[in-house]
Formats: sequence, structure tokens, C-alpha cells
Amino acid sequence: NAGVMQNPRHLVRRRGQEARLRCSPMKGHSHVYWYRQLPEEGLKFMVYLQKENIIDESGMPKERFSAEFPKEGPSILRIQQVVRGDSAAYFCASSPLPGYNEQFFGPGTRLTVL
Amino acid sequence: GQQVMQIPQYQHVQEGEDFTTYCNSSTTLSNIQWYKQRPGGHPVFLIQLVKSGEVKKQKRLTFQFGEAKKNSSLHITATQTTDVGTYFCLPNFGNEKLTFGTGTRLTIIP
Repeated sequence: NAGVMQNPRHLVRRRGQEARLRCSPMKGHSHVYWYRQLPEEGLKFMVYLQKENIIDESGMPKERFSAEFPKEGPSILRIQQVVRGDSAAYFCASSPLPGYNEQFFGPGTRLTVL
Repeated sequence: GQQVMQIPQYQHVQEGEDFTTYCNSSTTLSNIQWYKQRPGGHPVFLIQLVKSGEVKKQKRLTFQFGEAKKNSSLHITATQTTDVGTYFCLPNFGNEKLTFGTGTRLTIIP
């Protein structure tokens, strides 16, 4: 059973470009969480999604950031018009159950904005 | 407000010494999880504590949940180089808001 997959593992963008981060949850998991981690800092919750629904996006900036988890395909975290402050590691986690349960993390996408 | 304090922020120990990290909440928790993140890696689930006064052991790791369900600790006996990493708690305040603790970074001096 493959773990949570994220791609790309490393992404370099120039200021003003768009970044698309993908997350394929573990087989059978329909709950996906996205976190941001700045260098040497903790994990900051961004958004919680179920298939075709955003359950909680309270941690996501209101501008430039969006997330989706379509019926088919991976979950996508999209950052428009990136700025240097968006440089961070973005982790996706999945869970087979709703709410507060063990989360299985992917390897992360390291985004660098030049 | 609902928040948890995790201490210490950093801990440097000699190999073979013990290590403890604490998460302290101002309000009662429903339960609490612990995760470990190796340098350059991703968080990995270690355990979930649910009951008041619960103690769970995994080899050299001992996890405790306080009687009042406001505090939790992770204790490692006789640290090894493989224990290096950052340990995070994830408290559940009962509202499903996912707020990890700030983490304790453990480094081992050989």
C-alpha cells in the first residue's frame, strides 16, 4: 500500500508565477490536510478537505491560495502570484476517518520563490 | 484562548541520557497525539492518548497524559542517535482545530 505521495518534491518559481502542488492520499483515505512549514519552524494548518468539499480553510490566506480535492485525481494546493514569503515546505496528510485521527504525511513539496 | 505550550524548544543531550518534552494546555483536551519529524523528513505519527492519566510505552519511549487532561509528556530513556529530530504534540481541544505544538528539537551529542 503506497503512502501519501506529493509532487513535485522541489519546486522553484519566480515572483508572480503560479505554484501547483499535488497530493495523492493513501488508498482508501478520503480526508486530506495541507500544512505549511517555514524553515526551522512548526507545522501550520492550512486546509482540510474531503472529496469535492472544503471542510475547514481557516488556516489558509484569503488571497492567492486555493485548494481542491476533486472526485477523481489528487488534491491540489494552488498558490497564485507567488512571493518570496511563500517559500516553505508544504506537507499533505491523509486520514481514513474524519476529524481528529492519525494522519499519514507525505514527503512534502519544498517551494522556493526567487 | 485555546492554545498549547510545548517546552523546551531545543534540547541537546549526550547519547545515553534521557529526554523529555512537555505539552501544556490552558484548557482540558479531548485527546492528544504525538509526532516525530526527522531532519529533512516529514512528520510521522507516534501515538494518541485519550484517557485521563494514561501511560503508554513504545520501547524506550513513554507517553503520559495528565489526570486533568491538560498536560502530556514524551520521555525517551537512554537516547540514541536515531532519536534525533523534532517532536510535536497535536492537542485536540474538542473542536477539531488542528494546531500542532511548536515542537521540541532534540539533538544528540555522541
